[in-house]
Amino acid sequence: SSVLTQPPSVAVAPGKTASITCEGNNIASKSVHWYQQKPGQAPVLVIYYNNDRPSGIPERFSGSKSGNTATLTISRVEGGDEADFYCQVWDRSSDQYVFGTGTKVTVL
Amino acid sequence: EVQLLESGGALVQPGGSLRLSCAASGFTFGSHAMGWVRQAPGKGLEWVAVIGGSGARTYFADSVRGRFTISRDNSMNTVNLEMSGLRAEDTALYFCAKDLSIHTYALFDYWGQGTLVTVSS
Repeated sequence: SSVLTQPPSVAVAPGKTASITCEGNNIASKSVHWYQQKPGQAPVLVIYYNNDRPSGIPERFSGSKSGNTATLTISRVEGGDEADFYCQVWDRSSDQYVFGTGTKVTVL
Repeated sequence: EVQLLESGGALVQPGGSLRLSCAASGFTFGSHAMGWVRQAPGKGLEWVAVIGGSGARTYFADSVRGRFTISRDNSMNTVNLEMSGLRAEDTALYFCAKDLSIHTYALFDYWGQGTLVTVSS
């Protein structure tokens, strides 16, 4: 099944841009989704189908994909954006949901 | 408003069994796959199992296949996870989650708050 690799941590200053990558084999042929999880809370969907935002998610959150790397970008980072972020795909070849290894975003 | 409420988490001995339940409301339950995702203490998200909207199809993570089963009751809007042969590594917070897609599988757009399973002697 797929393996999705993310950097363990990303640190960013307030007002700057954070980029979180998600690398995986054959990700180019899959739709990538992103979740934000704050401490003690359930995950929240922030980007789906590569670059769509659910209602209520700020426009500062955006997604993109190039080759076998998907990227979640958070513009004008705020302190409230501190959280763990996970990418996810549906692997049709193995009929499994696959989550990335997770990235902790720290706002300096 | 979509709501997912898990129950059934407990402390159980290694080799034991446990049944988790998830009560759903606020959407057309039978049209959506429902899944379970777990998170061990201090670790990342791990998908566990999913059941299609009609209940006809189920899929499992390699780590639980053969030990866990998943079922649903579309008349009661509930989904259950039956766990047997529990191991210490099954210790985790178990989330119930709804798939956004209609009659297929893709991503989870709503999550419950989770129920804690601890496997220890």
